[in-house]
Amino acid sequence: DGGITQSPKYLFRKEGQNVTLSCEQNLNHDAMYWYRQDPGQGLRLIYYSQIVNDFQKGDIAEGYSVSREKKESFPLTVTSAQKNPTAFYLCASSMSARTGSNQPQHFGDGTRLSIL
Amino acid sequence: QKEVEQNSGPLSVPEGAIASLNCTYSDRGSQSFFWYRQYSGKSPELIMFIYSNGDKEDGRFTAQLNKASQYVSLLIRDSQPSDSATYLCAVKSGGSYIPTFGRGTSLIVHP
Repeated sequence: DGGITQSPKYLFRKEGQNVTLSCEQNLNHDAMYWYRQDPGQGLRLIYYSQIVNDFQKGDIAEGYSVSREKKESFPLTVTSAQKNPTAFYLCASSMSARTGSNQPQHFGDGTRLSIL
Repeated sequence: QKEVEQNSGPLSVPEGAIASLNCTYSDRGSQSFFWYRQYSGKSPELIMFIYSNGDKEDGRFTAQLNKASQYVSLLIRDSQPSDSATYLCAVKSGGSYIPTFGRGTSLIVHP
């Protein structure tokens, strides 16, 4: 079955620690995205990638980093510089992210990150 | 600044009724419109998309788009308690890489 797999489902971060959230897709999608969702705030874009070895900052990239070494994988690292990391993190993908494209995004099941 | 507005609700309807969810957007260059359903604690699930003015039907769901008035609606016929969720509207402009999401409308269908 094609889909987007996020792991782990739940993650706890200690003070001063970096943590990495995994996102893998087997949909052969070119574009991948990371969103953060806080209660009552909707989805906020952290980073996105249109193609392997290229990615762009979203609206709230500070304190986060990503890599896109393979088409299938787009891991997100929450660094110790992110002072308020507690949130629901959602990874999404779409066939392409180019201008004019009307391809929808599809989401993984999410990772819930909390501070210890 | 592109904006997508949704009434946060909750919208409460009785079982079997029609639920009407509305979304307005600010960018006249918007071309693609998506509706997602998100159950509490879960991730968004795509349920409808529409690109042209008019209605698009899929089972109990109908999406309605009016570009002149800059709104898109989602109608759910014969609402069921299992339809209780938050519905997110997403709008993509022709010149953008990324859709803009509204904050969602909470729908409660009571028996």
